Amino acid sequence: NAGVTQTPKFQVLKTGQSMTLQCAQDMNHEYMSWYRQDPGMGLRLIHYSVGAGITDQGEVPNGYNVSRSTTEDFPLRLLSAAPSQTSVYFCASSYTSGSTDTQYFGPGTRLTVL
Amino acid sequence: RKEVEQDPGPFNVPEGATVAFNCTYSNSASQSFFWYRQDCRKEPKLLMSVYSSGNEDGRFTAQLNRASQYISLLIRDSKLSDSATYLCAVNMKNFGNEKLTFGTGTRLTIIP
Repeated sequence: NAGVTQTPKFQVLKTGQSMTLQCAQDMNHEYMSWYRQDPGMGLRLIHYSVGAGITDQGEVPNGYNVSRSTTEDFPLRLLSAAPSQTSVYFCASSYTSGSTDTQYFGPGTRLTVL
Repeated sequence: RKEVEQDPGPFNVPEGATVAFNCTYSNSASQSFFWYRQDCRKEPKLLMSVYSSGNEDGRFTAQLNRASQYISLLIRDSKLSDSATYLCAVNMKNFGNEKLTFGTGTRLTIIP
C-alpha cells in the first residue's frame, strides 16, 4: 500500500491563479480530510468527507473547494490563490470518522502564493 | 480561548532525562484523545491514543484527566531521536459532528 499520497510536493503560485492539490489513498478509507498548517496555528481543518459524494466544511473553508467522486481521491481546489493561503497542506484519511481511528497523513504540499 | 492548548516550548532537555507535556481542552464532551509526533518538515504520525485509565508504550506514558480537562505525555529516558514536535489531538463534538482538533504542538529538543 502506498498509503496517502499527495501531489505536488511543492508549488509556487501567483495571486489570483487557481490550482488543484491532489490527494489519494489506497486503504479503502471512508473518511478523508484536508488540513493546513501554519507556524503557531497548528493543524486547522479545511474540508472533510465521510464518504464518496459527501463533503463538509471544517474550520477554515473559505477560498477552497473539494469534491469526493471516488473513495480513493479527495482533491482540494484553490479558486483564486491569495498570499494568506501560503501554507503546508496535509491530506489525511481514516477508516471511519477519524475521531476514534488513526488518521494517516500524506507527506504534505508546500504552497507559496506570491 | 483555544479549543485545544499546548505549551509551544521549546523544551530543551538533556539526553536521559524525563520530560512531560500537558495539553488542555475546552469541550468537556470530548471523547477521544491522541498524541501525534511530527518531525521537521514531515507529516504528523500517531504516537499513541490516550485512554481514561492511562496507557504506556515503552518509554512513553499518556494520561487523561477529565476533571481538569487535560491530557499528558511523559517521556522517560529521553533519546536524541525523541527530538520532534508533539501534537495533541482531541475529538471535539460540535453540532453532532465529530472532528479532530489539534493543538499547536510542543517542540522538544533532546541535547546530547
